Amino acid sequence: AQSVTQLDSQVPVFEEAPVELRCNYSSSVSVYLFWYVQYPNQGLQLLLKYLSGSTLVESINGFEAEFNKSQTSFHLRKPSVHISDTAEYFCAVSVMSGGSNYKLTFGKGTLLTVNP
Amino acid sequence: GAGVSQSPSNKVTEKGKDVELRCDPISGHTALYWYRQSLGQGLEFLIYFQGNSAPDKSGLPSDRFSAERTGGSVSTLTIQRTQQEDSAVYLCASSRIGLGEQYFGPGTRLTVT
Repeated sequence: AQSVTQLDSQVPVFEEAPVELRCNYSSSVSVYLFWYVQYPNQGLQLLLKYLSGSTLVESINGFEAEFNKSQTSFHLRKPSVHISDTAEYFCAVSVMSGGSNYKLTFGKGTLLTVNP
Repeated sequence: GAGVSQSPSNKVTEKGKDVELRCDPISGHTALYWYRQSLGQGLEFLIYFQGNSAPDKSGLPSDRFSAERTGGSVSTLTIQRTQQEDSAVYLCASSRIGLGEQYFGPGTRLTVT
């Protein structure tokens, strides 16, 4: 079975400051990795994903995450945050099962609050 | 095109009543997933459909929970004899076959009084 640990339940930062949201996973098999974002009173949206290839993946709104296999981590970073980045961020994994079931195992989430 | 839709958006029910939650996936998405989001347990997988078949029901918490999918499209999650611990947001997601991005609906907030 897989598990995902998000080490910080809440991260408050000031606008234009850098931020890192930490994610570690545990799995006995290879995994795919995802970050989802949930804005207040909205559904989950995919922010970025690592499937294969380059270990550094980027989103269109300036977030990036790096897959580190030896550290079993997939930390999310942004060099300068905006008020509009305030949301809950979920790290998730699915297993390379070879079949068609790619159910997600989620971390508990990190609430990012950007203050002016 | 339209995204994943779910209905109702909110449902308040009395303990012991049955409820049905509906998910309308994106057209052409053959894979459909139900998840539950609650304060205590976070986001949990419930059931996976490929077409009309449910090869993975491992996340259903009890036999009071069941789900079906018809025509490879709409899915209904049914909870019988609801309990207070069933209160949560129920999320549906769909994707193309293979490792497609899972698109989530807005969820149904279920409150059992």
